[in-house]
Amino acid sequence: QLVLTQSPSASASLGASVKLTCTLSSGHSTYAIAWHQQQPEKGPRYLMKLNYDGSHRKGDGIPDRFSGSSSGAERYLTISSLQSEDEADYYCQTWGTVVFGGGTKLTVL
Amino acid sequence: EVQLLESGGGLVQPGGSLRLSCAASGFTFSSYAVSWVRQAPGKGLEWVSSISGSDGSTYYADSVKGRFTISRDNSKNTLYLHMNSLRAEDTALYYCAKGEGHLAAGAVDYWGQGTLVTVSS
Repeated sequence: QLVLTQSPSASASLGASVKLTCTLSSGHSTYAIAWHQQQPEKGPRYLMKLNYDGSHRKGDGIPDRFSGSSSGAERYLTISSLQSEDEADYYCQTWGTVVFGGGTKLTVL
Repeated sequence: EVQLLESGGGLVQPGGSLRLSCAASGFTFSSYAVSWVRQAPGKGLEWVSSISGSDGSTYYADSVKGRFTISRDNSKNTLYLHMNSLRAEDTALYYCAKGEGHLAAGAVDYWGQGTLVTVSS
């Protein structure tokens, strides 16, 4: 069964970097995923599509501070130079049928 | 600019019905898969249903199969979700989402702002 696993929470300081992880279930380690950001009281926003080889395609207007990488079944979202507006929920998504991870709540200290 | 504008949400009694609409603009609607994704209060995102842009194939989450029907009118650039036999657990913000290609299997690359459905007596 295709499942995405995310840590429920993460935190980092203003101006620092943070790396969020999304883990694909066994047997699905070559799947691409997408990362989405949901700021408080807003709808989700597409950040990027991330392939198994680490190549990624970002959405319109997504800053260079957001980048993606991959290692085995793990897909990462790295946010550098953290800003207050980066405090949000981050969801990974994949497909066979569409599947979402449980989301990671990022707190910027 | 891609825009997705949902409408049709509201308060409905358990067992009732509702039809959601999503008006799309800024892209060739007929060429892309579109989906409904919902978010219950304080919870994460849950995929509900998708319809392909190629042959109109439809897909449903087990939680709504047999109760919800997704459809599209390419002449009106509009996506629909017909919801029957609604339950309290269907209460959520319902988002319209555009796929990256014509297949239902793929990344969501644009989102609407959502329409709220509340199922309560």
